[in-house]
Amino acid sequence: ETGVTQTPRHLVMGMTNKKSLKCEQHLGHNAMYWYKQSAKKPLELMFVYSLEERVENNSVPSRFSPECPNSSHLFLHLHTLQPEDSALYLCASSQGDRNSPLHFGNGTRLTVT
Amino acid sequence: GENVEQHPSTLSVQEGDSAVIKCTYSDSASNYFPWYKQELGKGPQLIIDIRSNVGEKKDQRIAVTLNKTAKHFSLHITETQPEDSAVYFCAALGNNDMRFGAGTRLTVKP
Repeated sequence: ETGVTQTPRHLVMGMTNKKSLKCEQHLGHNAMYWYKQSAKKPLELMFVYSLEERVENNSVPSRFSPECPNSSHLFLHLHTLQPEDSALYLCASSQGDRNSPLHFGNGTRLTVT
Repeated sequence: GENVEQHPSTLSVQEGDSAVIKCTYSDSASNYFPWYKQELGKGPQLIIDIRSNVGEKKDQRIAVTLNKTAKHFSLHITETQPEDSAVYFCAALGNNDMRFGAGTRLTVKP
């Protein structure tokens, strides 16, 4: 148990579907993150929420839409994705201090067909 | 922004040998350097970190060294075991966000 739980673990969706990824942290942290992990590439930061406010958005296409209803939950809403969006999507949380380590979930393996 | 380079991309060692993974960074303002281990089917897990006011840190078989002048830091694993096989990521935190290296796939052969 990592303290950060992601569901579903695997997701296959067509390009016209709408789906959502869910993340929940049980660590009492106040910052949450979405990362994209593609093969042989560095982790790509997508979104950062601190105290439930979005503080960073790294030029992510609008077909990805994050939502943070409270400090323990984070969602990533997906619609009209492309095959190149297939990747492992990782959620992480931290204390919010700039020098605090990230705690990752086990990710959602997304395949877009 | 920060740019982190990690080498090698793959590393194979015999059980009991040492493994060294090296990273360089570009932002001289970076002051926090964590290392993560990612096993198959799991997310990255923090294994050790070092801050810019320290040159070396050890935790049992794992050690990390930091050379701020040269802007590089390294992970050292001694007496490797098969369960050390995984992908290892370095990262550097500068003024903005955490930047990660591309990862090193370590294989420890029994």
